[in-house]
Amino acid sequence: DAGVIQSPRHEVTEMGQEVTLRCKPISGHNSLFWYRQTMMRGLELLIYFNNNVPIDDSGMPEDRFSAKMPNASFSTLKIQPSEPRDSAVYFCASSQRHGDSPLHFGNGTRLTVT
Amino acid sequence: GENVEQHPSTLSVQEGDSAVIKCTYSDSASNYFPWYKQELGKGPQLIIDIRSNVGEKKDQRIAVTLNKTAKHFSLHITETQPEDSAVYFCAARSGTYKYIFGTGTRLKVLA
Repeated sequence: DAGVIQSPRHEVTEMGQEVTLRCKPISGHNSLFWYRQTMMRGLELLIYFNNNVPIDDSGMPEDRFSAKMPNASFSTLKIQPSEPRDSAVYFCASSQRHGDSPLHFGNGTRLTVT
Repeated sequence: GENVEQHPSTLSVQEGDSAVIKCTYSDSASNYFPWYKQELGKGPQLIIDIRSNVGEKKDQRIAVTLNKTAKHFSLHITETQPEDSAVYFCAARSGTYKYIFGTGTRLKVLA
């Protein structure tokens, strides 16, 4: 089991640029989550997909943020245009929806917007 | 809104001693309580979890207790080792996907 795979591990970009973060969930998991981690706010849920369908996007901060899940093995989180306050570590996590399956996190993407 | 309070924020113990981290949740509908360990540069990793119909669970040196009436749950690490040094997060889940995470405890085990 390769675990949840995120890319890139680090991203440094200038304000105003588009940023795309990528995630490959664990095979067989049908729930996918994007979280943002900052010192000030801790771990915040941005969006939750089940069977590739966005179920809860109430945590997406602004229209600058969008997420897609075109198939069961891939998801993207896009920020356009990026701003310095978007600097954070973004985690993707997956789980099996049925039963009490725990969340499995990737190693995150550290985003720095200058 | 729902929240999870976690204490202490930092904890230093001597190697071989025990460490206890406590969390309190507000949503009485919470039904699942995982604990995560996060090492530098990595994502949170599940170390133990407990469901609302269980009061205690143990896995080697790690144990978790749950008091549903008081809405408290705690992580206990015995015989701590330097490799236990990390940030630990508690979480409470309501329904099937809404996790509320605590603010984290930075544990330092002194050799």
